Amino acid sequence: GAGVSQSPRYKVAKRGQDVALRCDPISGHVSLFWYQQALGQGPEFLTYFQNEAQLDKSGLPSDRFFAERPEGSVSTLKIQRTQQEDSAVYLCASSPGTQSYEQYFGPGTRLTVT
Amino acid sequence: SQQGEEDPQALSIQEGENATMNCSYKTSINNLQWYRQNSGRGLVHLILIRSNEREKHSGRLRVTLDTSKKSSSLLITASRAADTASYFCATDAWVDSSYKLIFGSGTRLLVRP
Repeated sequence: GAGVSQSPRYKVAKRGQDVALRCDPISGHVSLFWYQQALGQGPEFLTYFQNEAQLDKSGLPSDRFFAERPEGSVSTLKIQRTQQEDSAVYLCASSPGTQSYEQYFGPGTRLTVT
Repeated sequence: SQQGEEDPQALSIQEGENATMNCSYKTSINNLQWYRQNSGRGLVHLILIRSNEREKHSGRLRVTLDTSKKSSSLLITASRAADTASYFCATDAWVDSSYKLIFGSGTRLLVRP
C-alpha cells in the first residue's frame, strides 16, 4: 500500500522567500507529526495533529513556522521569510490512532536556504 | 533538544559480525523505539519495547531496556552490508493529550562487505 509521501523532495529557497512543504499521510491515519532533522542529527519534533486539530506546536522554532491540516488528511508546513538556519530535512510521519506508538515516516523534504 | 545520547556515534564492522548500539535517555518513559534511516530516506520503525519489558527480539535484532539506568541497547546479529544505515532510539513523551517521539542523535553503522 502507499506510504507517507512528501513533496517536493528537494527545495532550494533564497533567504527571505516563503516555502510550503506538503505531506500526504497514510490514508485513514489519525495522527500526523512534523519533524526537523539537521545534518548528522536525529529528528526534532515540530508539531502534532490529531485529525485536523493541532494539539501541540511546541517544537515550532519561531512564528515564521506554521502548519495546518484543514481536512484531517493532507498537511502543509509553511515557513515564511526563510533563513539559512532553516536549512534541514523536514520529515512527516503518521500513525493510525491516538494511542499508536509506531510512526510511519515519509522520505522527507530537503530544504536548502541560500 | 534531544532526549537521548547514542553510543557510539559511528561504528564500522565486517559483514557477519555483530553490531551493538547503546542509547541513554533522561526522563521516565512508557516505551522506547528503535528506527533505521538509510541515507537520504525517511525513518523505518524496527522495534518497540515497553517500559515493563527487559528484552525483545525481532529476527536478527535484539533490544534490551534497563529503566533503572535509563538505557537501551540494540544488537544486530550476523550483520549484512544492507544493514548500513543510521540507527536512532526514540522515547515517547505525553503532554496533556499530545504525544511525540524524542530521538537520540543516532549511531551511523557501516557494514563492510
